[in-house]
Amino acid sequence: DAMVIQNPRYQVTQFGKPVTLSCSQTLNHNVMYWYQQKSSQAPKLLFHYYDKDFNNEADTPDNFQSRRPNTSFCFLDIRSPGLGDAAMYLCATSGGRLNSPLHFGNGTRLTVT
Amino acid sequence: GQQVMQIPQYQHVQEGEDFTTYCNSSTTLSNIQWYKQRPGGHPVFLIQLVKSGEVKKQKRLTFQFGEAKKNSSLHITATQTTDVGTYFCAASMDSNYQLIWGAGTKLIIKP
Repeated sequence: DAMVIQNPRYQVTQFGKPVTLSCSQTLNHNVMYWYQQKSSQAPKLLFHYYDKDFNNEADTPDNFQSRRPNTSFCFLDIRSPGLGDAAMYLCATSGGRLNSPLHFGNGTRLTVT
Repeated sequence: GQQVMQIPQYQHVQEGEDFTTYCNSSTTLSNIQWYKQRPGGHPVFLIQLVKSGEVKKQKRLTFQFGEAKKNSSLHITATQTTDVGTYFCAASMDSNYQLIWGAGTKLIIKP
């Protein structure tokens, strides 16, 4: 089945220690997104790739970076995690336009100690 | 910035009762989508509405898009325990713009 896969499912990192979350997709979608979701809140868009074009949301901290080496893979790098960065990180894809339906991965729950 | 208001924040119902959540925008929307997120899970796409006055049904779920394309609702008839979760609307003003998410409505079944 075509899908969006995130690894790992759970990630624990230390305060200030860089961490990378990964996402892969077999849907061949041109748009990939990274969302941050904290408890009882809506997903918050961090950035997206439209094909190879990177688009950062205005309020996304510089601490968050992303890479998309090819259509199938996308990475979220948190350079110096703080306690406030503990959250669920959701990767999503969509085909076509920016307002097309989203296909989410299972998410990576990040804990910062 | 643009906002989509979703109410209520929580709804407690007895199993078998109906559930409704509403989303409203001050701006005309291009389309609106609905997602369901089970506890501990990820959002799952349910449906997309694009036409003025559109009504779509999925079994016990009824989705409506207002005539002015500024509001939408999701109604669940005779809730079941499998309906538990948070329902989000996500709307766009234009195909070149990102989705704007509502705050979500959490459906809780009373024991």
